[in-house]
Amino acid sequence: GQNIDQPTEMTATEGAIVQINCTYQTSGFNGLFWYQQHAGEAPTFLSYNVLDGLEEKGRFSSFLSRSKGYSYLLLKELQMKDSASYLCAVRDPRLDNQGGKLIFGQGTELSVKP
Amino acid sequence: ETGVTQSPTHLIKTRGQQVTLRCSSQSGHNTVSWYQQALGQGPQFIFQYYREEENGRGNFPPRFSGLQFPNYSSELNVNALELDDSALYLCASSLTSGGAGNIQYFGAGTRLSVL
Repeated sequence: GQNIDQPTEMTATEGAIVQINCTYQTSGFNGLFWYQQHAGEAPTFLSYNVLDGLEEKGRFSSFLSRSKGYSYLLLKELQMKDSASYLCAVRDPRLDNQGGKLIFGQGTELSVKP
Repeated sequence: ETGVTQSPTHLIKTRGQQVTLRCSSQSGHNTVSWYQQALGQGPQFIFQYYREEENGRGNFPPRFSGLQFPNYSSELNVNALELDDSALYLCASSLTSGGAGNIQYFGAGTRLSVL
């Protein structure tokens, strides 16, 4: 089966660092994506990992361990505008040669407090 | 801004009716995927269109159908609406290059309420 787990909610303080974890069990794997979604808005692409290790992009970093079925999104120097839902998604390789189907977790609602 | 536009923004229908949602993909993108997002949940894959043909389908009944046009825009049609169809419907476009890492860019969605 396909299963992607993330914490439902997290709270952090402005200026701090927060790590949002994602574990997955899928029948195939061809990449893991993180999206940010503000209420009522489109999911916005944040990062993509297909090989093990850390990908850094400004205040956001994403880590992947394929052997452990584990990823995390690290947000540094938190700002109030980072309050949003963060979606972890695994790409299904069964549609690999056409765009790809994304299997999403339920999302982690992050609240950043002053 | 992702360049993916969806219409309408909001829609209210009654049970048993039919609805058509529209999506214009980002310029240069040839693949469109549709997702259903219930409140407090992650998006669930409905189906994908590539070169005007359905290319993969999630666990949704046949009353969910779609089209892709030569300009790569797409429609999602839902017949015989049920109360559980109330959700945010998201369209995502991507450029298919045959390699890994094709990023899907999402529109803001259509909020469908079925009464």
